[in-house]
Amino acid sequence: QVHLMQSGAEVKKPGASVRVSCKAAGYTFTGFYIHWVRQAPGQGLEWMGWINPKSGGTNFAQKFQARFTMTRDTSISTAYMELNRLRSDDTAVYYCSRELLSHLPYGMDVWGQGTTVTVSS
Amino acid sequence: DIQMTQSPSSLSASVGDRVTITCRASQNINMILNWYQQKPGKAPKLLIYAASSLQSGVPSRFSGSGSGTDFTLTISSLQPEDSATYYCQQTYGTPYTFGQGTKLEIK
Repeated sequence: QVHLMQSGAEVKKPGASVRVSCKAAGYTFTGFYIHWVRQAPGQGLEWMGWINPKSGGTNFAQKFQARFTMTRDTSISTAYMELNRLRSDDTAVYYCSRELLSHLPYGMDVWGQGTTVTVSS
Repeated sequence: DIQMTQSPSSLSASVGDRVTITCRASQNINMILNWYQQKPGKAPKLLIYAASSLQSGVPSRFSGSGSGTDFTLTISSLQPEDSATYYCQQTYGTPYTFGQGTKLEIK
C-alpha cells in the first residue's frame, strides 16, 4: 500500500530550527517528486516546494527560500524538510505529499498524516 | 505568482442539491488545475486533476470543467459526507498556489 509516514509533533522556540521527516512506502521512492505543503491553524493550504528524490533537485516558493531546505535519503526512502529561524507564524501543520504522475504537474494524490509544528516562547 | 480566487468562500446546501464552486486564475493556466477536498483534522484528498480528470476512487458525482482562467467543481447530488472544505490548486507554474478554500456545509 502506498503511503507516507511523517515524524511526530514538534514544539520549538522562536529562532530555532525544525526538521520533519516523511518516509515513503509501497512505491519506488525515486520515481515521484515529494511536495511540502503547510496549513496554519484555521487557514488554507500553502505550497512550500518540491524535491526530486532521484536527483535531489529542489524548487521552492520564493518566500521560503532563505530558511527552507529539502533533502532526501534514498537508502531509507525518506524525505526531509528543515525550516530555520522559526517565527510564531510558522506554527502550522506540515504535510508531505507525492505527485500523482511521475514528473507531471497533475497534483498530489498521496499525503502524509501531517506534522504539527508549534513555535512558542 | 499566479493568484487563485475561489467563490463562494462558504455555502450551505441540502442533500441531493447540485453544487458548483468556481476558481479563477490570475493568468492562463491551460487545464493545469486540481481540486482537493479536506475534512477537519485530515490531509487533503485529490478529487480532480488536469481540470476534468476524476481521480481513481472518487465518486462520479464529482466533476470538473474549465480551461484558461475559469474553472468549476460540481457535485451533482450532494451527500452528507461531502461536508468539507474544497481547494483548487494550479500546478502550471511554481509556486503551486491554492485558492483560499470553499467551506461546504450540509443543511
